Amino acid sequence: DTEVTQTPKHLVMGMTNKKSLKCEQHMGHRAMYWYKQKAKKPPELMFVYSYEKLSINESVPSRFSPECPNSSLLNLHLHALQPEDSALYLCASSQVLDQPQHFGDGTRLSIL
Amino acid sequence: QKEVEQDPGPLSVPEGAIVSLNCTYSNSAFQYFMWYRQYSRKGPELLMYTYSSGNKEDGRFTAQVDKSSKYISLFIRDSQPSDSATYLCAMSDDNYGQNFVFGPGTRLSVLP
Repeated sequence: DTEVTQTPKHLVMGMTNKKSLKCEQHMGHRAMYWYKQKAKKPPELMFVYSYEKLSINESVPSRFSPECPNSSLLNLHLHALQPEDSALYLCASSQVLDQPQHFGDGTRLSIL
Repeated sequence: QKEVEQDPGPLSVPEGAIVSLNCTYSNSAFQYFMWYRQYSRKGPELLMYTYSSGNKEDGRFTAQVDKSSKYISLFIRDSQPSDSATYLCAMSDDNYGQNFVFGPGTRLSVLP
């Protein structure tokens, strides 16, 4: 079992829906990350939070909206997604930036 | 030239073989080097973490970093069918997580 917990494990949504992905860690890490991973490709970085502040936004479309309510939680709000957004969305955390990242098992998202 | 290169495989070996996985990189600023293992439908799992050059051993796994050649390796001794997974190298510089890069991954199959 991983120490980074992501919910839900699977999500199917229509292009007009609004949904949220959740990530939780209790390792006291102060950096948290969202990645997108397509089949047979490495994870692609989307957002980085450091001490609950957005540190990096890799030019992600505004239909993805991250939120870090506290040091243990990270959300990714989804709205008006496109079929090409179907992928595995991974959350990771590290003690601080530059330290090794620990990943959750992801949310498998399908856009109809 | 991609920033991090890795043979995508698939690499098939018999059980008990020694496996050698490799990555080359172009950015001399990279200081942190990691190997992740990813099973199908799971998130990447941190296997090894090395700072700067040198070797590190953990059970059946040995990581080597040669910064002069910009080359890193992961050796798996006495490989088992349970080692069958995709292996991703990753590296970053000292710039507070601004440049964390995954290699494309190598698919490994260990045949019983």
